[in-house]
Amino acid sequence: GAVVSQHPSWVICKSGTSVKIECRSLDFQATTMFWYRQFPKQSLMLMATSNEGSKATYEQGVEKDKFLINHASLTLSTLTVTSAHPEDSSFYICSAMTDPNTEAFFGQGTRLTVV
Amino acid sequence: GQQLNQSPQSMFIQEGEDVSMNCTSSSIFNTWLWYKQDPGEGPVLLIALYKAGELTSNGRLTAQFGITRKDSFLNISASIPSDVGIYFCAGRSSSGGSNYKLTFGKGTLLTVNP
Repeated sequence: GAVVSQHPSWVICKSGTSVKIECRSLDFQATTMFWYRQFPKQSLMLMATSNEGSKATYEQGVEKDKFLINHASLTLSTLTVTSAHPEDSSFYICSAMTDPNTEAFFGQGTRLTVV
Repeated sequence: GQQLNQSPQSMFIQEGEDVSMNCTSSSIFNTWLWYKQDPGEGPVLLIALYKAGELTSNGRLTAQFGITRKDSFLNISASIPSDVGIYFCAGRSSSGGSNYKLTFGKGTLLTVNP
């Protein structure tokens, strides 16, 4: 199957700072990438959908100015958590697919801890 | 919005037993996907289903796309300890436009006792 690499795997940052998470499709071109957030023992909650070269579409309740998404190329999307606070601590996961109606492949996730 | 009901929430079984879990939707999906997630990892795709009535196997795993397009099940036969994890169903309802996003079930936590 296709490989999606997410970096870093974990990060600890101070409250008020910003953190960037990268999602790369290693062996395919991803026209669409998704960013999810997952709290312990819960399902994945979609935050936003990003298409290469266009603005991301955010789900209701997700602050676009706080969670900045950039999808500048067909193999890379980034999520920047700006002015992070402890309540932003969570597991963030990206997924990517080549075109509609294909499988979505997931990165390994990033554990963010804000102290 | 769309809702996926996944059951059971958790299962405790003995090694060697068969397992079945299912998802039902309030609306029609045209794609069903089943994923497994290990602690601290991203979900890994197990089986993808694209046609109503489709029955697909992947080793000891078998999944079916319900004929009504509102449900799917996953069976695991002869379970082994490494089957432990959380299993998620996911559905996609649109084949056009920009709505390619997946709706996820809440997951089934599987524990296998050796």
